[in-house]
Amino acid sequence: NAGVTQTPKFQVLKTGQSMTLQCAQDMNHEYMSWYRQDPGMGLRLIHYSVGAGITDQGEVPNGYNVSRSTTEDFPLRLLSAAPSQTSVYFCASSYSWTGSYSPLHFGNGTRLTVT
Amino acid sequence: AQSVAQPEDQVNVAEGNPLTVKCTYSVSGNPYLFWYVQYPNRGLQFLLKYITGDNLVKGSYGFEAEFNKSQTSFHLKKPSALVSDSALYFCAVGLGGGNKLTFGTGTQLKVEL
Repeated sequence: NAGVTQTPKFQVLKTGQSMTLQCAQDMNHEYMSWYRQDPGMGLRLIHYSVGAGITDQGEVPNGYNVSRSTTEDFPLRLLSAAPSQTSVYFCASSYSWTGSYSPLHFGNGTRLTVT
Repeated sequence: AQSVAQPEDQVNVAEGNPLTVKCTYSVSGNPYLFWYVQYPNRGLQFLLKYITGDNLVKGSYGFEAEFNKSQTSFHLKKPSALVSDSALYFCAVGLGGGNKLTFGTGTQLKVEL
């Protein structure tokens, strides 16, 4: 099993550019989510999905879009990159959206720099 | 609203000594509490969770955590630290069983020979 796969691993963007961070899981997980990790701030939830066709906002959704057309994929789109979006982005999935018996599985992250 | 506090940015321990990484939480309702570990340039890995039942929870790699409702704490412990335990540790809280976890800011554990 590959688990949760994120691409690319590193990306440098200029202010105003757009891009898509890819996330795919091969575990048939129902729940998928995106977090950003910033020094001194821990992980903050951007968007999440409880199943194909269903998405919702997390704590810091502004500037990001998501869609969930299949169970496996949950791409994160940056519409117009800003320096404040420089961060490490993690995709995480779990079998069920109820965490009581289903811990999150994380990808290895995408390190994004916006200049 | 739910929140988690990890009061120590870094904890230093000698190998073989017991370790404790502190976590306190705030949530209105029954909390679901988790510990995750992050090694350099990797994603987070699940260590253990408290949902209900025994206050002492055992997890991976010899780690355990004690849930204390009166002190709203969920401290991570290990009786004998290893150099390989050196990593960044995150406490997280969820509410109502959902996986919308709120993470703490992380505690860097350094175990020295």
